[in-house]
Amino acid sequence: DTAVSQTPKYLVTQMGNDKSIKCEQNLGHDTMYWYKQDSKKFLKIMFSYNNKELIINETVPNRFSPKSPDKAHLNLHINSLELGDSAVYFCASSPQRGLSGNTIYFGEGSWLTVV
Amino acid sequence: AQSVSQHNHHVILSEAASLELGCNYSYGGTVNLFWYVQYPGQHLQLLLKYFSGDPLVKGIKGFEAEFIKSKFSFNLRKPSVQWSDTAEYFCAVNADPSNTGKLIFGQGTTLQVKP
Repeated sequence: DTAVSQTPKYLVTQMGNDKSIKCEQNLGHDTMYWYKQDSKKFLKIMFSYNNKELIINETVPNRFSPKSPDKAHLNLHINSLELGDSAVYFCASSPQRGLSGNTIYFGEGSWLTVV
Repeated sequence: AQSVSQHNHHVILSEAASLELGCNYSYGGTVNLFWYVQYPGQHLQLLLKYFSGDPLVKGIKGFEAEFIKSKFSFNLRKPSVQWSDTAEYFCAVNADPSNTGKLIFGQGTTLQVKP
């Protein structure tokens, strides 16, 4: 069983479209994240939710909107896609927020290509 | 602002050579430290982590890392690399005083092992 699963794994879409990436974790974790990996492989956090509450919202265009229907799911919706949104988006989860021996587990990534 | 710096961007080694990848972070308080590996086209996998206790931590696949608090470093080592170790290696720090659990990643080091 995949602990953190994302769909779709690959997505090619045209500029201006709206798309969503779904994420589910079956680890019973309280906290979930979205990270973006750019073409230079640099990883940066975008959002984090703890028990459905938004706790991290980095400087991300408001075309990106996360939604957490329950603590096992964190979806990412992107409006009006732009070429610069092409990247790999990683979902992740951890038992709780903060330190205290907190390990973050990553999903397999969603490769988004905007043409 | 907290930051993580990986000194080596691209390392090329022959099989059986020893490996040391440098990682330094900037934060004076309590930290959790991680090394993740990303094999070509795959997701991030946890290699090892440091939370507290023995500063020399052992991870999977023969990797180890040493936390030196006075140097703000967490270098990754392996005595003898294999071709299958070819991958991208990321150092990451969880040191968020806001207790959100977010990871700050280094720029990554591309390791290429020649057979």
